[in-house]
Amino acid sequence: AQTVTQSQPEMSVQEAETVTLSCTYDTSESDYYLFWYKQPPSRQMILVIRQEAYKQQNATENRFSVNFQKAAKSFSLKISDSQLGDAAMYFCAYRSAGGGADGLTFGKGTHLIIQP
Amino acid sequence: KAGVTQTPRYLIKTRGQQVTLSCSPISGHRSVSWYQQTPGQGLQFLFEYFSETQRNKGNFPGRFSGRQFSNSRSEMNVSTLELGDSALYLCASSLGATSGDTQYFGPGTRLTVL
Repeated sequence: AQTVTQSQPEMSVQEAETVTLSCTYDTSESDYYLFWYKQPPSRQMILVIRQEAYKQQNATENRFSVNFQKAAKSFSLKISDSQLGDAAMYFCAYRSAGGGADGLTFGKGTHLIIQP
Repeated sequence: KAGVTQTPRYLIKTRGQQVTLSCSPISGHRSVSWYQQTPGQGLQFLFEYFSETQRNKGNFPGRFSGRQFSNSRSEMNVSTLELGDSALYLCASSLGATSGDTQYFGPGTRLTVL
């Protein structure tokens, strides 16, 4: 079974600074998808960014970008110019591309605090 | 487009009772997945439905079941509730054509079992 590890239970960053959240995963598969989701206090999960494993290029979405290292099985999220609205739990998730794939496998999450 | 909706938002039940939660996906989405979120176990996959058929199932006891209707709306049922079933239950919808399709989550149903 695949596992996703987020080694930072909590991170704190000053507003306008850059922060990187770590995620590693364990899989024997070569084709899969990786996601970062954000869960603010309202509890609604929101997709931040999505990466296809067969694509070498790192995904970006405005202030959010990833560093995808397939050989190292690492998928970190960089948030630039942090804003107060970025404060939330961030979850890294994995899903196999194979037929019959299980649902998303999530890490335990990183609680991101933005200091004004 | 309206997002994923879940009803009810909050529910209080007692041990031994059963409960039914409902999820309406984004229009045009044919896949609905259910997840359980607890402080101890985190987010865990329950099951996925696509075109009224269960496509995948997580490692949960048979007390947890679900179904999907022809309009893609889905329900999940938990019978003989236990204290440990207290959780936030999240529903997510996607186009469902591939496993990489983005899943869009609803606001969740907070179930408390007393």
